[in-house]
Amino acid sequence: QKEVEQNSGPLSVPEGAIASLNCTYSDRGSQSFFWYRQYSGKSPELIMFIYSNGDKEDGRFTAQLNKASQYVSLLIRDSQPSDSATYLCAVNRGGANNLFFGTGTRLTVIP
Amino acid sequence: GAVVSQHPSRVICKSGTSVKIECRSLDFQATTMFWYRQFPKQSLMLMATSNEGSKATYEQGVEKDKFLINHASLTLSTLTVTSAHPEDSSFYICSARTGRGNEALHFGNGTRLTVT
Repeated sequence: QKEVEQNSGPLSVPEGAIASLNCTYSDRGSQSFFWYRQYSGKSPELIMFIYSNGDKEDGRFTAQLNKASQYVSLLIRDSQPSDSATYLCAVNRGGANNLFFGTGTRLTVIP
Repeated sequence: GAVVSQHPSRVICKSGTSVKIECRSLDFQATTMFWYRQFPKQSLMLMATSNEGSKATYEQGVEKDKFLINHASLTLSTLTVTSAHPEDSSFYICSARTGRGNEALHFGNGTRLTVT
């Protein structure tokens, strides 16, 4: 079982819609959760992080964490074509120094 | 703005030569930096953890004699790909934590290595 699993997509949504990206993780000891966006040919950039169960909102982005079910999701409201990218979920296990990354979900927002 | 600077952004070299990639933390000290590699349409793969003042920790399957890591100061880590081969062509990205309130990794802009 992989540490972090994501649906590779591609996920296509029309402009203005809500894009929902999901991620599950295997280690119940995981403590910190991150969403990165990676444009083609570029390095990942941090969008959000979340530590506690529940929702965390930042502009058009909302991260949701459910530790009991071991999943974390990212909602993008009012999706824009510029949101088209690969979204990487990353998890920090308690005591681990590095982050464990999922394979990413490719999102395409259709104008 | 960028907190991790990586250089060069793109390099083309001939097979058998060596290439050095630099990773610098900007306005913060990084005792640990991480080197990743990413092949086209694949996810990030951690290659090694660079530790200031000590030996790097390599992930399983990564040859430490081929990918030399030096972390001689708190703001600079270097990755040298020795005797490069075409199969080493990839996107190499370094990252570090700023230690400012969260554990997120911040990435450099990456280095696109092409070995001919």
